[in-house]
Amino acid sequence: QKEVEQNSGPLSVPEGAIASLNCTYSDRGSQSFFWYRQYSGKSPELIMSIYSNGDKEDGRFTAQLNKASQYVSLLIRDSQPSDSATYLCAVNRDDRGSTLGRLYFGRGTQLTVWP
Amino acid sequence: KAGVTQTPRYLIKTRGQQVTLSCSPISGHRSVSWYQQTPGQGLQFLFEYFSETQRNKGNFPGRFSGRQFSNSRSEMNVSTLELGDSALYLCASSANRVKNTEAFFGQGTRLTVV
Repeated sequence: QKEVEQNSGPLSVPEGAIASLNCTYSDRGSQSFFWYRQYSGKSPELIMSIYSNGDKEDGRFTAQLNKASQYVSLLIRDSQPSDSATYLCAVNRDDRGSTLGRLYFGRGTQLTVWP
Repeated sequence: KAGVTQTPRYLIKTRGQQVTLSCSPISGHRSVSWYQQTPGQGLQFLFEYFSETQRNKGNFPGRFSGRQFSNSRSEMNVSTLELGDSALYLCASSANRVKNTEAFFGQGTRLTVV
């Protein structure tokens, strides 16, 4: 079983729609959860971090975490063509606290927002 | 505030050569991690350094090594390059904050081995 699994996609939504990206993880000891956006040919860009159960909103982005179900999701409201990218889910289960430890990444979901 | 800086951006090497990649983290960040990204394998963890000490190591052969300096800058070295080492090498830095380990990536170094 892979550490982090994402919907393989690709996911295609019209402009203005809600894009929903999902991720599951295997280790219940996981501490921190992140979503990165990666445009083609570029490096990953951190867009959301979440550490406790529930929802976290930042502009058009909402991250949702359910540790009991080992599930984390990202909702993108009012999707724009500029949101077209690969979205990577990352999980950190290192409990050292003061260091990054190791991030486990999913393979990513490619999102296309068409006008 | 400057971001994570990786040099060089692009590199072409021949099989058997060695290469050194450099990473300067965000000012004040003490944790630096390295990842390899390929289309076939996705993002694979190489190693993490904190205060000049390797804290974590991924499942890569000994040809891959790294170090961190007292100013938190880090280098990784790949010796005896193989064609399969062609990849985007990414460095991520993180602040020393308990329970908040957000990691920020540099632009990456694209290595091509011919």
